[in-house]
Amino acid sequence: AQRVTQPEKLLSVFKGAPVELKCNYSYSGSPELFWYVQYSRQRLQLLLRHISRESIKGFTADLNKGETSFHLKKPFAQEEDSAMYYCALSDRGSGNTGKLIFGQGTTLQVKP
Amino acid sequence: KAGVTQTPRYLIKTRGQQVTLSCSPISGHRSVSWYQQTPGQGLQFLFEYFSETQRNKGNFPGRFSGRQFSNSRSEMNVSTLELGDSALYLCASSLDGGRLNSPLHFGNGTRLTVT
Repeated sequence: AQRVTQPEKLLSVFKGAPVELKCNYSYSGSPELFWYVQYSRQRLQLLLRHISRESIKGFTADLNKGETSFHLKKPFAQEEDSAMYYCALSDRGSGNTGKLIFGQGTTLQVKP
Repeated sequence: KAGVTQTPRYLIKTRGQQVTLSCSPISGHRSVSWYQQTPGQGLQFLFEYFSETQRNKGNFPGRFSGRQFSNSRSEMNVSTLELGDSALYLCASSLDGGRLNSPLHFGNGTRLTVT
């Protein structure tokens, strides 16, 4: 079954420390993966897609099909990165369905 | 461009009642998807509409229904409300269904409380 797993509910780091938010997926076929972010009092918004070659707000994510992972990384965390991060998988079982399968989300807390 | 607009922002209803939520997509977006967000279950897909047709449906009871109008605006209806329907309901629009080349854009959501 298609599934997205984010093993950490909360990740707390100090400003300037490296960050890695983990995401593992289960999908039969070629996956389309996303990271969405929700800052306090803001709407859920797209952070990046696995086809992104550039870094978005300093974040990168590499699709590793062998390990079925799509971890989100940033070398130096900033306080403004504090937010809820969701990994999501596009379920293409029925073509363009508008259906994303979301992980449970990880709250990133960056301490000063 | 204006973002996805959901109305109302908050709703309080009583068990057994019905409710209608509205979503206006980004101009030019023909796909509208609905998600339910709860602390326990996270974000779960309800259904997706494209050009007034429901293309996909999640695992929710028939009490949850929706429709899309010719201007791509969408409504979601929940009948015979239960306490467990209390949630944040998110609408998302896209050019064509949340793929890599047409990612979802979310609204602020409607917070439904059932008492």
